[in-house]
Amino acid sequence: EVQLVESGGGLVQPGGSLRLSCAASGFTFSSSWMHWVRQAPGKGLVWVSRISTDASITSYADSVKGRFTSSRDNAKNTLYLQMNSLRAEDTAVYYCARGRDGGTPDYWGQGTLVTVSS
Amino acid sequence: DIQMTQSPSSLSASVGDRVTITCRANQSINSHLNWYQHKPGKAPKLLIYAASSLHSGVPSRFSGSGSGTDFTLTVTSLQPEDFATYYCQQTYRIPITFGQGTRLEIK
Repeated sequence: EVQLVESGGGLVQPGGSLRLSCAASGFTFSSSWMHWVRQAPGKGLVWVSRISTDASITSYADSVKGRFTSSRDNAKNTLYLQMNSLRAEDTAVYYCARGRDGGTPDYWGQGTLVTVSS
Repeated sequence: DIQMTQSPSSLSASVGDRVTITCRANQSINSHLNWYQHKPGKAPKLLIYAASSLHSGVPSRFSGSGSGTDFTLTVTSLQPEDFATYYCQQTYRIPITFGQGTRLEIK
């Protein structure tokens, strides 16, 4: 069974940093592209980032480019999202998802809440 | 960026009803269109990928159709567990984009 468990969310001040983790199991993590998607309170789903199997390719939404960095440790079956220079508008539940055939996010975690506030 | 527009934004229906949600892209995305179901506090679930392929474990009352710019998600014989928010998503071009969502409520 595919399982994805996010962690690392919490309350952070504007301008601060946070690193999210996503622990994967039940599939061959090293062969799977991975995505981050977020949902602000009361809003819809917004794609944030994706990373290739060997981390050689990363892509980001314009709203986070230059501030967020996706990475992965295939030996630990773990995906990361380093978030710097956080803003109030980054407040959201952050989901990790497996990329089916490199593209379509098919299995998702339950999410971790990030709140950016002073 | 490719803009995805869903209609309606909300929908009231009864158990046993057939409902259809539409999604339109502002440029052709071939068949790179997916549908998700999302309930509060839960992980989003993939229902349909590549416009019309049913994801593993998804009941056959869900179906998808369309190509190019216009797509539909149909749910036949609504069940109580189907009341949720539904999103379309294009994976044709980065950035991946979602529709704004359709909230399906019990009448």
